[in-house]
Amino acid sequence: QVTLRESGPALVKPTQTLTLTCTFSGFSLSTSGMCVTWIRQPPGKALEWLARINWEDDKYYSTSLKTRLTISKDTSKNQVVLTVTNMGPVDTATYYCARGRGYYYHRGSGGYYFYGMDVWGQGTAVTVSS
Amino acid sequence: EIVVTQSPATLSVSPGERATLSCRASQSVSSNLAWYQQKPGQPPRLLIYGASTRATGIPVRFSGSGSGTEFTLTISSLQSEDFAVYYCHQYNGWPPWTFGQGTKVEIK
Repeated sequence: QVTLRESGPALVKPTQTLTLTCTFSGFSLSTSGMCVTWIRQPPGKALEWLARINWEDDKYYSTSLKTRLTISKDTSKNQVVLTVTNMGPVDTATYYCARGRGYYYHRGSGGYYFYGMDVWGQGTAVTVSS
Repeated sequence: EIVVTQSPATLSVSPGERATLSCRASQSVSSNLAWYQQKPGQPPRLLIYGASTRATGIPVRFSGSGSGTEFTLTISSLQSEDFAVYYCHQYNGWPPWTFGQGTKVEIK
């Protein structure tokens, strides 16, 4: 059974750095095709794709947030960590991690067959306030 | 960055009726599109990937179609458990990938 669980502080102050950990089981991020994505959702608003890391340690970031995000993995611990620097009130949201699977059919052009994000964690709510 | 626009924002449907949700991408994403369902207080649930392939365990009343820039999610006969918010998600080429702003399906 595949499970993911997000953990981190519920409250951070403006300008602080947020560190979130996604701890997963039931799959290995060293297995070909596996990836973990972070997504967030401000209260009452839409989902926002943040960052993704795959089995080859390729890392991808949201265009608007890439200067503030860092994603990394610890395969031995089955964890993926996301850091967000310079937090502000607009970063108040529930943060989710999700497992995805896929394969490159034309790596040069980014051709990637993706089976979708099929298992999600329950999310962790983060509030930014002084 | 590819922008994904969903319509309508809210869809009012009676139980047993058909619901049709639309998703438009700002440029072609081929068939690299997924649909997710989200109920209050829960994480999203994968319904469709590859524009038209149902994920494991998804009822046949959910179907996806389209390619390029225009996509549709159809729920053939709405059940009470289908009232939720639906998001489309494009994953074409190198990330970043993007979500639409969601369509809320509510009881008429």
